Amino acid sequence: GAVVSQHPSWVICKSGTSVKIECRSLDFQATTMFWYRQFPKQSLMLMATSNEGSKATYEQGVEKDKFLINHASLTLSTLTVTSAHPEDSSFYICSASKGTTNTEAFFGQGTRLTVV
Amino acid sequence: QKEVEQNSGPLSVPEGAIASLNCTYSDRGSQSFFWYRQYSGKSPELIMFIYSNGDKEDGRFTAQLNKASQYVSLLIRDSQPSDSATYLCAVIAPGTYKYIFGTGTRLKVLA
Repeated sequence: GAVVSQHPSWVICKSGTSVKIECRSLDFQATTMFWYRQFPKQSLMLMATSNEGSKATYEQGVEKDKFLINHASLTLSTLTVTSAHPEDSSFYICSASKGTTNTEAFFGQGTRLTVV
Repeated sequence: QKEVEQNSGPLSVPEGAIASLNCTYSDRGSQSFFWYRQYSGKSPELIMFIYSNGDKEDGRFTAQLNKASQYVSLLIRDSQPSDSATYLCAVIAPGTYKYIFGTGTRLKVLA
């Protein structure tokens, strides 16, 4: 399988600050990357789809100005949580696809964000 | 109606038994189906994918797909305590690369 690396694996930040999470595909070029959020005992909720070189597509209800996504290269996408608040505390997971249809997604290790 | 539905469980089975996990989906146009395993606090890991009606076997795991009934299942033979996790069913939304996840079924394999 392919390897997707997500960093950091956990972060604690103060309310009002911004946090950047990186997602890298290590051994393949990821045309498309996805960002998910998972609250305790709930399933993964897709936040946005990130395509290299273009603006991310956000799911309904996700604030694009709060969750900034940049997909500057075929191996790197970043999610920045701006002006974080305690309700943003969650498990954020990225996944990457090789871009062809019907292909499996490979997940990063996830980032546990705690806003205090 | 949720797009992908799973029984949240927990499903408890004794060690060595067969665990049967079920998933239904609402979009009849869905073509790709995946089973992921997620341990607590960890990211999902892919177990199997299936695209065609019928069974697909990989080691102790068998995925079954019935498109007419919009039903996909995962069988785990000779269940082990290490199989205890949440199992997520995922479907790719037709015409996109988006994965739609079910809420997951928590499996407990009792030693």
